[in-house]
Amino acid sequence: SQQGEEDPQALSIQEGENATMNCSYKTSINNLQWYRQNSGRGLVHLILIRSNEREKHSGRLRVTLDTSKKSSSLLITASRAADTASYFCAGGGADGLTFGKGTHLIIQP
Amino acid sequence: NAGVTQTPKFQVLKTGQSMTLQCAQDMNHNSMYWYRQDPGMGLRLIYYSASEGTTDKGEVPNGYNVSRLNKREFSLRLESAAPSQTSVYFCASSRQPTWVNEQFFGPGTRLTVL
Repeated sequence: SQQGEEDPQALSIQEGENATMNCSYKTSINNLQWYRQNSGRGLVHLILIRSNEREKHSGRLRVTLDTSKKSSSLLITASRAADTASYFCAGGGADGLTFGKGTHLIIQP
Repeated sequence: NAGVTQTPKFQVLKTGQSMTLQCAQDMNHNSMYWYRQDPGMGLRLIYYSASEGTTDKGEVPNGYNVSRLNKREFSLRLESAAPSQTSVYFCASSRQPTWVNEQFFGPGTRLTVL
């Protein structure tokens, strides 16, 4: 079963704008991870936030976690064409690491 | 370091044929995983190996077998391929045999079963 569900399924924005993606999950987790997948490639880990953390930053990425709502968000600031990719959240817990279906992000030049 | 490597990159099989997908990592990681990704879907775990000498079923293990050959290598075997196994297969590894670390992924094997 899919642990995470991303929203929206697809997002198209202009270069330089900020992109926000949301993720909801079903069961309790130890951590919430975000991955990026470029077309035809493997997944690349972006950021991990533990269940006792509320916010985490890494470069242009900002992740929040609300365990009471079982939700997380990924914000990419000052988007670039190279950010065009699919983004997946994955909940890490007793059932292992289970992935959502992803948000496909397109950055328009 | 090559990271996680997978062979082959592409494969076409006929229904009923068998094949083995190979995966190797050079990061001295303890845990290795096999996932499949179907169009418009996230990744689903097939099998994993928390440490050398152990393997466990994931969410979708039916029709597959695995072998953790040594710490570096983890293979996935399809004994009798079916069209439903048409997918992209990803191998991954992580340092710890728990679900608290990031995973490193290979480039994938695109498999078509006719």
